[in-house]
Amino acid sequence: DAKTTQPPSMDCAEGRAANLPCNHSTISGNEYVYWYRQIHSQGPQYIIHGLKNNETNEMASLIITEDRKSSTLILPHATLRDTAVYYCISMNNNAGNMLTFGGGTRLMVKP
Amino acid sequence: EADIYQTPRYLVIGTGKKITLECSQTMGHDKMYWYQQDPGMELHLIHYSYGVNSTEKGDLSSESTVSRIRTEHFPLTLESARPSHTSQYLCASSDPRRGGETQYFGPGTRLLVL
Repeated sequence: DAKTTQPPSMDCAEGRAANLPCNHSTISGNEYVYWYRQIHSQGPQYIIHGLKNNETNEMASLIITEDRKSSTLILPHATLRDTAVYYCISMNNNAGNMLTFGGGTRLMVKP
Repeated sequence: EADIYQTPRYLVIGTGKKITLECSQTMGHDKMYWYQQDPGMELHLIHYSYGVNSTEKGDLSSESTVSRIRTEHFPLTLESARPSHTSQYLCASSDPRRGGETQYFGPGTRLLVL
């Protein structure tokens, strides 16, 4: 599975959009991009995933570049409860492949 | 919200004791996982299961064992707890949908071995 690179930390003002980048320059054609987050001491929470098209759900939007070498998770109106570590993971769905969590981005939403 | 449960949430126990961490899910997911996470550190996969009677070791070597007798239940056992086992243990199950493998996590068990 391809490795991903994320900034270790980011700040965002409450009510503004939080844009979290992820680099996955070695991603292969059948690998999905997954985003999870982990709020302090809790289990990780699934946010969104996609293959090549942009995706949106009730939590966030996922923008994947045309060459698929990077993506951005967008929280449109960040709240204090969005403060968490956000993990970007790339993985194909062959049986036996598992999510590999890296260091993630620690997002701090400030009032 | 996912229906996946872990008990106990917190456990303090002495060295040498046998412990079992419980994990149950009511979603009918075939795949289940155990991760270990030290404070502020990355998650590491220690065990997983494709379904009943299937258990596999993960990326991180662990002295724990697991069993999968029922779809909904995936307990993790430490035969003789040691201080080095102090960590948070997270259970998850997955739902293959829309071509993805979305994992749902339980709240975790924080284990302290004295």
